[in-house]
Formats: sequence, structure tokens, C-alpha cells
Amino acid sequence: GESVGLHLPTLSVQEGDNSIINCAYSNSASDYFIWYKQESGKGPQFIIDIRSNMDKRQGQRVTVLLNKTVKHLSLQIAATQPGDSAVYFCAENGGAGGTSYGKLTFGQGTILTVHP
Amino acid sequence: NAGVTQTPKFQVLKTGQSMTLQCAQDMNHNSMYWYRQDPGMGLRLIYYSASEGTTDKGEVPNGYNVSRLNKREFSLRLESAAPSQTSVYFCASSFENGRGYTFGSGTRLTVV
Repeated sequence: GESVGLHLPTLSVQEGDNSIINCAYSNSASDYFIWYKQESGKGPQFIIDIRSNMDKRQGQRVTVLLNKTVKHLSLQIAATQPGDSAVYFCAENGGAGGTSYGKLTFGQGTILTVHP
Repeated sequence: NAGVTQTPKFQVLKTGQSMTLQCAQDMNHNSMYWYRQDPGMGLRLIYYSASEGTTDKGEVPNGYNVSRLNKREFSLRLESAAPSQTSVYFCASSFENGRGYTFGSGTRLTVV
């Protein structure tokens, strides 16, 4: 079946640097993508989402970029802080219609470590 | 507004015992989901309910059953627990198109 995957399993950065977490997806029918942050012992928390009719969306200190041509998604975190240390997951919804719509398929996650 | 509430937070079972994990949401979401997360891995879908009255298998349904009791509640049952079911279980809910996807805080289950 189709799946979402991540290029880098771990990422270490210095406090204040910008972080970029990448994700490749293979389901070309997916039209909705989400990034989640998961801290140790907690459930995933929504960070930002993007629909396939957009190629960029910005939030507070975070930006998601979507490149449908190469099926690539990235999460950029500006001025990374120690509190940003967590596992980051991308997820895709499998596209409109059919039984997969609304169900999310998750990547394995990238561990982000921010050093003071 | 509590979001998605899961109970219990922790549970230890002996092999062969049964239990039900409870999940409730107060966001008027139509769709609800059960995932499991194993160490160092992403979330895998066990079962989902697209709307009240319907349930469907996900990626890893074997050994589990679910009940969509009403729009708010979606329970996951282990009839005969096995050590392979040791995991963290997350319930989630969303609108039909996947918007508003929200997770509970998880149930850490150990089967010995």
C-alpha cells in the first residue's frame, strides 16, 4: 500500500537555528497534509496543515511547504527553541472519496533535538 | 471543552485477559479512530469509524474489536490480550474530511 515516509530520522540543531524536517509521500491522490508534534509521554499535537491547492502555509514560527511535483512536504521551524524538541510526524489523508478519505497515514517520525 | 478523553491512562494485563479502552470526544466530530504506537514507530491505524453506526478495519485490526456507541464514544476491546499488544494506544477524532484531527493523551498498555 501507499505510505508516507521521512528522509531523516533524527535532527539536532542549536537553539536559535532554523530547522527543516522533510517528508516524502507516495499517494498522489492525497489532498490534505498535517504536521504533528509529539512530546514524550503525550499524544500528537496538531502544528499546521496544508491542502493540495496550496504550496506554502505559514503559522507562528512554522511554515509548511508542499511540492506536489516531487511529492515532498517540509516543515520549517524558525528560531528553534529547546521546547521544540520532540518527534515530528507528517500525515496525509489519502485523497477525497473512497474509504481512505479522512483516515490519516503517518510517517515514522523525525526526532528533533534542540541544544541550548 | 475537553477534546478527546481516553481512559484508562495506564493498564497492565495478564496474557489472555480482556479489557476495553474508552474514548470520548466533545467536538461534534463524525469520525473517530484508534491507533497504536510502538517504540520508535509511527502510528498505525487499528480501526476507524467514519460516522456513527459504521466501523471499518485499519492497518492492524487483528486481536481487536470496536464499538461506536454513539457519536461521542468509540471503544476498543481486546478479547484475549497478548504480549504483542503491548503498546501505547491513541484515540483520535475528526470531521469527515480529516479536518480538526485531534488525539487523546493515550493509554499505555502492558501485557505480561
